[in-house]
Amino acid sequence: SQELEQSPQSLIVQEGKNLTINCTSSKTLYGLYWYKQKYGEGLIFLMMLQKGGEEKSHEKITAKLDEKKQQSSLHITASQPSHAGIYLCGADGDSEVILTGGGNKLTFGTGTQLKVEL
Amino acid sequence: EAGVAQSPRYKIIEKRQSVAFWCNPISGHATLYWYQQILGQGPKLLIQFQNNGVVDDSQLPKDRFSAERLKGVDSTLKIQPAKLEDSAVYLCASSVGGGSYEQYFGPGTRLTVT
Repeated sequence: SQELEQSPQSLIVQEGKNLTINCTSSKTLYGLYWYKQKYGEGLIFLMMLQKGGEEKSHEKITAKLDEKKQQSSLHITASQPSHAGIYLCGADGDSEVILTGGGNKLTFGTGTQLKVEL
Repeated sequence: EAGVAQSPRYKIIEKRQSVAFWCNPISGHATLYWYQQILGQGPKLLIQFQNNGVVDDSQLPKDRFSAERLKGVDSTLKIQPAKLEDSAVYLCASSVGGGSYEQYFGPGTRLTVT
């Protein structure tokens, strides 16, 4: 089965600083999703990456999928208090199942808790 | 557009009691998922429905957990009897289809078993 390891587990940064969260997979990634979760709330979709070398940005958040498709990074530029929360990476489980439309069983990492201090 | 709705938001029960959670997905979304998220861990898929059929329930503890999605819209997840280790947040998500589409999550139901 696929396992996702996130690092660091937790992070405290000062407002305005940049930060990076990593997600490493035990298997090739066919689809990598980044979500954000605030305490007591559901997950909010941030970005999805599918191609090796792909990079996507939304506001001050950039996510990349490396060429070998086994690692992804999430980079936040000039962090703000609104960026605080738990960041989770999720991966599609099985490319053959995905392509046949059989399902999208996501495996999630354990999350990275981000705190932004004023 | 309304998001995924879940109820109740919080539930406290004693072990060996039963409990049920309800989910209403985004209108038109064919695929519905139930995840269990234990404190400090990422969500774990329990069951996936495509319309009203089960696609994957390999990680559902079928001796105590059951789920249904009658008419391919709303879904109910039941635990009977509950154990202490079932304390977790139960998240419902929906997506347009079963392929690589983004999943939209509800706020979750926080279950505490005492």
